[in-house]
Amino acid sequence: GAVVSQHPSRVICKSGTSVKIECRSLDFQATTMFWYRQFPKQSLMLMATSNEGSKATYEQGVEKDKFLINHASLTLSTLTVTSAHPEDSSFYICSARDPSSLNTEAFFGQGTRLTVV
Amino acid sequence: GQNIDQPTEMTATEGAIVQINCTYQTSGFNGLFWYQQHAGEAPTFLSYNVLDGLEEKGRFSSFLSRSKGYSYLLLKELQMKDSASYLCAADYGGSQGNLIFGKGTKLSVKP
Repeated sequence: GAVVSQHPSRVICKSGTSVKIECRSLDFQATTMFWYRQFPKQSLMLMATSNEGSKATYEQGVEKDKFLINHASLTLSTLTVTSAHPEDSSFYICSARDPSSLNTEAFFGQGTRLTVV
Repeated sequence: GQNIDQPTEMTATEGAIVQINCTYQTSGFNGLFWYQQHAGEAPTFLSYNVLDGLEEKGRFSSFLSRSKGYSYLLLKELQMKDSASYLCAADYGGSQGNLIFGKGTKLSVKP
């Protein structure tokens, strides 16, 4: 069964509104979670690293004020796309690895297909 | 940088064998993952190689050469459902455990 759960799986929003995506680790406590974005026919691109109890680390070119990340507990990280625009339409995926053993797979959430109209 | 290179697209015939190659930079390298991703879905784990050599898991096998910075994924007895993108991802042992992904290889299996 899934060990990382992401919600919602699909969302359509109007331009200018905000959308929140949740990522939960079900079987382990994740001090760190990763947020990726994937445009059609392209690979996963790391957007930011979410750190429980501290600020997220953003990759170069990712606007931290636009993509708000909150990691308030050891099992939940949220990504909020603020003032969404059509160019933000993409597939967003979260990931986490069990910190007790880094030599294991990265578990992925189901992904969120965001469409901004 | 930590460029991960793999072919963009491959085509193979049902029942055949296909090998998908991946090269990566060796500095700081810990291990190599392969994931399968169907369109519109999240990636699913296939394999993880840390040591040199071939690891077999059913119809799928994965090979690693640490000295050469090279890995391949071997798919045998191809089925139509194997049509997907295959992502190579390298673990450089960052303290936070993030993976660096290649662009993915889109495999099309034809009848």
